Amino acid sequence: QVQLVQSGAEVKKPGSSVKVSCKASGDTFSNYAINWVRQAPGLGLEWMGGIIPIFGSTTYAQNFQGRLTITADESTSTAYLELSSLKSEDAALYYCARVGPTPVYFTYWGQGTLVTVSS
Amino acid sequence: EIVLTQSPDTLSLSPGERATLSCRASQSVNSNYLSWYQQKPGQAPRLLIYGASSRATDIPDRFSGSGSGTDFTLTITSLAPDDFAVYYCQQYGGSPLFTFGPGTRVNRK
Repeated sequence: QVQLVQSGAEVKKPGSSVKVSCKASGDTFSNYAINWVRQAPGLGLEWMGGIIPIFGSTTYAQNFQGRLTITADESTSTAYLELSSLKSEDAALYYCARVGPTPVYFTYWGQGTLVTVSS
Repeated sequence: EIVLTQSPDTLSLSPGERATLSCRASQSVNSNYLSWYQQKPGQAPRLLIYGASSRATDIPDRFSGSGSGTDFTLTITSLAPDDFAVYYCQQYGGSPLFTFGPGTRVNRK
């Protein structure tokens, strides 16, 4: 069974950066895209970007271009999200999600990592 | 950008009743690229339906999806106590690559 386990909650100051990890187990990590989706408190889901580990290729939503970096370490089956220049609006629950056999939906989700942005 | 609109915002129903949730796209969506998720408080979303009408693994058959083009529907034929949650539709393609609808909350009446 595929499991995605994310790193713990973070408290960051405005203008700083945050790095969240997502460790996969139970399947071949490299072959499936890992994506990041965030959810602001009480609001809906927003796709941020993704990576295909075997190729290292990334795709980012335009809203986050220039601030978001997604990486993957195949040796540890871990994907990372790094978001810089944090603003109060970036306070949210950040989920990693792995696509299915057809990479157009998300079959597996991490438990979420809460990022708080406060001075 | 393909924008997804869901209706109603909130549905108040009793266990055993039928729930019909709508997802409308601002432009035509390939049916293979339309999915539905369920999210309960404090939990990550769970995939229910992919390809507009295919149930994901272990999803009960009271959940069904239908539709094509710009109009898609998630139907729960007889609400179980565990089904009260928020439901999101999601599409793939274009820019951004994935977009979600704003969600429909199914409340217990």
